[in-house]
Amino acid sequence: GENVEQHPSTLSVQEGDSAVIKCTYSDSASNYFPWYKQELGKRPQLIIDIRSNVGEKKDQRIAVTLNKTAKHFSLHITETQPEDSAVYFCAATRRRSNTGKLIFGQGTTLQVKP
Amino acid sequence: GAGVSQSPSNKVTEKGKDVELRCDPISGHTALYWYRQSLGQGLEFLIYFQGNSAPDKSGLPSDRFSAERTGGSVSTLTIQRTQQEDSAVYLCASSPRETNTGELFFGEGSRLTVL
Repeated sequence: GENVEQHPSTLSVQEGDSAVIKCTYSDSASNYFPWYKQELGKRPQLIIDIRSNVGEKKDQRIAVTLNKTAKHFSLHITETQPEDSAVYFCAATRRRSNTGKLIFGQGTTLQVKP
Repeated sequence: GAGVSQSPSNKVTEKGKDVELRCDPISGHTALYWYRQSLGQGLEFLIYFQGNSAPDKSGLPSDRFSAERTGGSVSTLTIQRTQQEDSAVYLCASSPRETNTGELFFGEGSRLTVL
């Protein structure tokens, strides 16, 4: 089955700096890679996703990149702000199949220092 | 227009007791997931229901764990003979029939403490 590894487990940056979180996956058939943000005491929420037919996607200050050959994908946050502080989870799955379960990485705790 | 609802929000039980956790998904969502989140840990997949298909139970950690989904809607996660290592937040999520976004909508979770 799918296995997702996420690094680093913790990340501390100064406000305004960039943050990068990296994930690798094991199942070459995975084709959908979302990122979820979980603020302290809150439920995880989708912030951005990417499908296997594209290599990069941007949404304002966040972007995701995907390297299918190497089976890794990354989240990039630019101009970080204190409200970006949260736990970020990457995930992978085969969409549009009977095995559509979403497997998450271990999470990265991002701290943005003002 | 309610979101995913879970109950109870908090449950404290004694080792060896059985517990039931309930999840009401968003109306019309055909996919339902259970995850476990231990303190400071990631989201551990437990079980996945998709429509009328047989559930994917590959994440259940032991035969003490079971889940069912009645009428394609409400789901109950049952943990028998609870152990201290079962203490965690149990998160339920639902998702509509395969859409362009594939987004999972999570509930607030049920925090289980086994003494």
